[in-house]
Amino acid sequence: ETGVTQTPRHLVMGMTNKKSLKCEQHLGHNAMYWYKQSAKKPLELMFVYNFKEQTENNSVPSRFSPECPNSSHLFLHLHTLQPEDSALYLCASSQVGQAGELFFGEGSRLTVL
Amino acid sequence: AQSVTQLGSHVSVSEGALVLLRCNYSSSVPPYLFWYVQYPNQGLQLLLKYTSAATLVKGINGFEAEFKKSETSFHLTKPSAHMSDAAEYFCAVSYPNSGYSTLTFGKGTMLLVSP
Repeated sequence: ETGVTQTPRHLVMGMTNKKSLKCEQHLGHNAMYWYKQSAKKPLELMFVYNFKEQTENNSVPSRFSPECPNSSHLFLHLHTLQPEDSALYLCASSQVGQAGELFFGEGSRLTVL
Repeated sequence: AQSVTQLGSHVSVSEGALVLLRCNYSSSVPPYLFWYVQYPNQGLQLLLKYTSAATLVKGINGFEAEFKKSETSFHLTKPSAHMSDAAEYFCAVSYPNSGYSTLTFGKGTMLLVSP
């Protein structure tokens, strides 16, 4: 596989469920990102990892918990979400220092009931 | 606050017509500027970028953008629209005071192309 791969593509969960989103990049990049895309709102940066270390948490609620075990994999663990958390969650990667040149996955469409 | 504004949430053009999507930034220091495109059910893809070299930047699929410091603008153009250009377009900026480490996106402009 090439590029940035996200799984699952679609996820429906209840407010009390625990689920995880997975992202894998095959580009040899060393920075990974989670973005949230909601209707009628700009893309919101959630987390940034450089060389597996979290360098930015954009005031994201603790019900979203990221994990970056290595430079190629990024997870977003979800717990006790709210309906307003329903959105498209996009993973991206880049070389460190080239944050403008992002390579995005196709996203995970999350619906919270 | 440093931000980027895209004028018009939707732009409609006929196939073969000029495409013009507007983007303005607010900053006293010239930022790096980017245009991304998002096709339905896909992630974003980089179209082109300005990083303080040539002010007229050419990207993929025949798109280009011109950085105008006096107007704080970075509008995206294409001489002749194609049906396959129908997508959502996002302008984005990164700033030197953040070490260009993060990207701020505009709200996006949906381009509609009619036959």
